[in-house]
Amino acid sequence: AQRVTQPEKLLSVFKGAPVELKCNYSYSGSPELFWYVQYSRQRLQLLLRHISRESIKGFTADLNKGETSFHLKKPFAQEEDSAMYYCALGSGGYNKLIFGAGTRLAVHP
Amino acid sequence: DGGITQSPKYLFRKEGQNVTLSCEQNLNHDAMYWYRQDPGQGLRLIYYSQIVNDFQKGDIAEGYSVSREKKESFPLTVTSAQKNPTAFYLCASSIQASGGYTFGSGTRLTVV
Repeated sequence: AQRVTQPEKLLSVFKGAPVELKCNYSYSGSPELFWYVQYSRQRLQLLLRHISRESIKGFTADLNKGETSFHLKKPFAQEEDSAMYYCALGSGGYNKLIFGAGTRLAVHP
Repeated sequence: DGGITQSPKYLFRKEGQNVTLSCEQNLNHDAMYWYRQDPGQGLRLIYYSQIVNDFQKGDIAEGYSVSREKKESFPLTVTSAQKNPTAFYLCASSIQASGGYTFGSGTRLTVV
């Protein structure tokens, strides 16, 4: 079964601390993985996708097929990073996305 | 100004009523999607459509119906058969095979 697991509902860190938001997936094919973010009172928006291998707002994510993971990392958290983060798996030829339950990141001053 | 618009923002439904949520996009995207968002459960796919006059059931389609008569529009009807309709509903669109969704601002439906 295709599934995305985000084991932490809440991750609380202090400003300047490293951040790692965990995402594990279950998929038999070649996965396409994404991170979406929802800031307070804003729409859900794409943060990054694994095929781009890019860094957005200091965040990076590496696809580890051996561990079936796509963890989101940032070396130094900022208060403006506080948001809800969703990991998503692209499934099937139509590219419908399966989302994890989300992790709320709270960055404290 | 390109984007995806959902209306209304808040909707109240009485028991036994059908209600329709609107979703319109002017991004010229082929694909459109409806998700339901519940606390602690993330987003669950209700229906999706890749082209006009075609749509597919998602993981939780029971009690919902959709239509795709125009490329720009993908309305969702929550029928009386949906036993637990109170939720936040999100519409999204994407260029085919991109995975980069553009989301609407959502509709919060409450059964009263």
